[in-house]
Amino acid sequence: DAGVTQSPTHLIKTRGQQVTLRCSPISGHKSVSWYQQVLGQGPQFIFQYYEKEERGRGNFPDRFSARQFPNYSSELNVNALLLGDSALYLCASSLGTSGGVGTGELFFGEGSRLTVL
Amino acid sequence: GENVEQHPSTLSVQEGDSAVIKCTYSDSASNYFPWYKQELGKGPQLIIDIRSNVGEKKDQRIAVTLNKTAKHFSLHITETQPEDSAVYFCAASIRGGSYIPTFGRGTSLIVHP
Repeated sequence: DAGVTQSPTHLIKTRGQQVTLRCSPISGHKSVSWYQQVLGQGPQFIFQYYEKEERGRGNFPDRFSARQFPNYSSELNVNALLLGDSALYLCASSLGTSGGVGTGELFFGEGSRLTVL
Repeated sequence: GENVEQHPSTLSVQEGDSAVIKCTYSDSASNYFPWYKQELGKGPQLIIDIRSNVGEKKDQRIAVTLNKTAKHFSLHITETQPEDSAVYFCAASIRGGSYIPTFGRGTSLIVHP
């Protein structure tokens, strides 16, 4: 079975531009979460979606937005890019979220490495 | 919110030695503590987890211990091998809620042959 897939794997943007990152979860997983990982640090939570609804949002500015589609895939959008947005963006899927549904294990993709010049 | 501290940031050992990574958390409501391994160029992968009703869990060469009173938990790797070299992250979260783990900053483990 395919794992979590993310695209693109690498991209370079300039300040002020916009970027869209895509994620396909493991088949059967209904929850998708997005994390930002800056070099040398642990993943920082950005968004969690379950059944197309936002279930959680981390401490990120409104320039960051996301959505989940009926097939449970997801997109993360970042507007007005800043140099500090350069990072590895990780998508993780899981069986469920609230109410203790599923095992709680997150399955991560290999990430999209964004460089902002 | 939850705050997870992880030490050391870098750990260098000889093949066959043991390695210990320690984490502390701040929110007494946290009850689920996973450990993830991230190899170069890949996403984190769960290697072991422990729930708050258990004090220790072991899986072959890997073990995790939890001290709820002191709010700290540790990862123990015995008989280390070069393929254990990676970055390890601890995390803490609340199961039964929305399950959004807070991660530590990571420990880079280097196992020398």
